Amino acid sequence: ETGVTQTPRHLVMGMTNKKSLKCEQHLGHNAMYWYKQSAKKPLELMFVYSLEERVENNSVPSRFSPECPNSSHLFLHLHTLQPEDSALYLCASSQAGQNNYGYTFGSGTRLTVV
Amino acid sequence: DAKTTQPNSMESNEEEPVHLPCNHSTISGTDYIHWYRQLPSQGPEYVIHGLTSNVNNRMASLAIAEDRKSSTLILHRATLRDAAVYYCILRTYGGSQGNLIFGKGTKLSVKP
Repeated sequence: ETGVTQTPRHLVMGMTNKKSLKCEQHLGHNAMYWYKQSAKKPLELMFVYSLEERVENNSVPSRFSPECPNSSHLFLHLHTLQPEDSALYLCASSQAGQNNYGYTFGSGTRLTVV
Repeated sequence: DAKTTQPNSMESNEEEPVHLPCNHSTISGTDYIHWYRQLPSQGPEYVIHGLTSNVNNRMASLAIAEDRKSSTLILHRATLRDAAVYYCILRTYGGSQGNLIFGKGTKLSVKP
């Protein structure tokens, strides 16, 4: 257990479904992140939340919708996904604005779109 | 963005030291050098970071060149559990430049 908990660990969804990924941290961090890791590709930064405000959206399609209701929780709402969206989705947390501070990652949600 | 260059893969024998190199010739004065590793089927985990001086912690040591254009992550005695992808990342202070951006890393294999 790293201090960042992601649920569910595995998710299989059809292209017409709507589902949500959840991330929770109780490390006192004030920044949270969503990353996507496709097979044999580097991790891609999707969204950045700092002090509960979205500060970065790296050209992610609108079928991915993040939500950060408070500094401890982060969601990724999914709808009408494509098979190429199948990947490992990782959540991380950190202290905003400090480049001498590490990120803590969750174990990820393995998403399969059928 | 400041970039890093790492070998794609390395091999080591169990219980021997491992030196994982990283080149970052365009590093700026305020960039911290971070190392993370990702074990199979897990999220990345923080290993170590430094600015100018060499650093040691319970997981590894970080040796930083005097000109800061390269660094080496040192695992003193490799175990089978150290088999992972190791990422060397530069983090700049502030804004989007401070985000953790991953490259391909070095895949370390450890032989018994």
